Amino acid sequence: GDSVTQTEGLVTLTEGLPVMLNCTYQSTYSPFLFWYVQHLNEAPKLLLKSFTDNKRPEHQGFHATLHKSSSSFHLQKSSAQLSDSALYYCALSDTGNTGKLIFGLGTTLQVQP
Amino acid sequence: GPKVLQIPSHQIIDMGQMVTLNCDPVSNHLYFYWYKQILGQQMEFLVNFYNGKVMEKSKLFKDQFSVERPDGSYFTLKIQPTALEDSAVYFCASSLRQPETLYFGSGTRLTVL
Repeated sequence: GDSVTQTEGLVTLTEGLPVMLNCTYQSTYSPFLFWYVQHLNEAPKLLLKSFTDNKRPEHQGFHATLHKSSSSFHLQKSSAQLSDSALYYCALSDTGNTGKLIFGLGTTLQVQP
Repeated sequence: GPKVLQIPSHQIIDMGQMVTLNCDPVSNHLYFYWYKQILGQQMEFLVNFYNGKVMEKSKLFKDQFSVERPDGSYFTLKIQPTALEDSAVYFCASSLRQPETLYFGSGTRLTVL
């Protein structure tokens, strides 16, 4: 069945350094891919969503490129900020288009001064 | 942005009791979801709901679980009776259409003693 694999556990970075959180997926078809971000005690919020026309989605300095050849949707940012510290989930939409999302385990990003 | 509210944020009950988790979805949304997250694990799909009916449920959605949204009020998840393994954070989500961005609540932490 469909599945998502992320960089696991905790990623610790110094402020100003580039961010890359890995996400690969397995799916029979061509699903939509999403990145959600969850700050402490808050709801998970959509950060990025893949487009059908191969445009690269960007938001708050983050971007991700869907590579169907490698089944990846890695999250990147050129310069980490302290406020980027949060839990990041990669998810794919169910290919049966029932709307459900299948999530990875999540990666905690901790940005230090 | 659109907000999904979940009530209560925490709930502690004794095994065997009934519990109802409440979700106030985004006002014009039509599709509703429940996800379960056990500590340290990924968010897992439980059920989705549209037009008064369950569309799809996972194997985690046991016979003791039920969902409803009477007369456009709260979207509820009822567990009767509860078991120790039901202890988790339950996230509600809603969307306007499918496939589409899901908007999540902050979750209800359920502890079954």
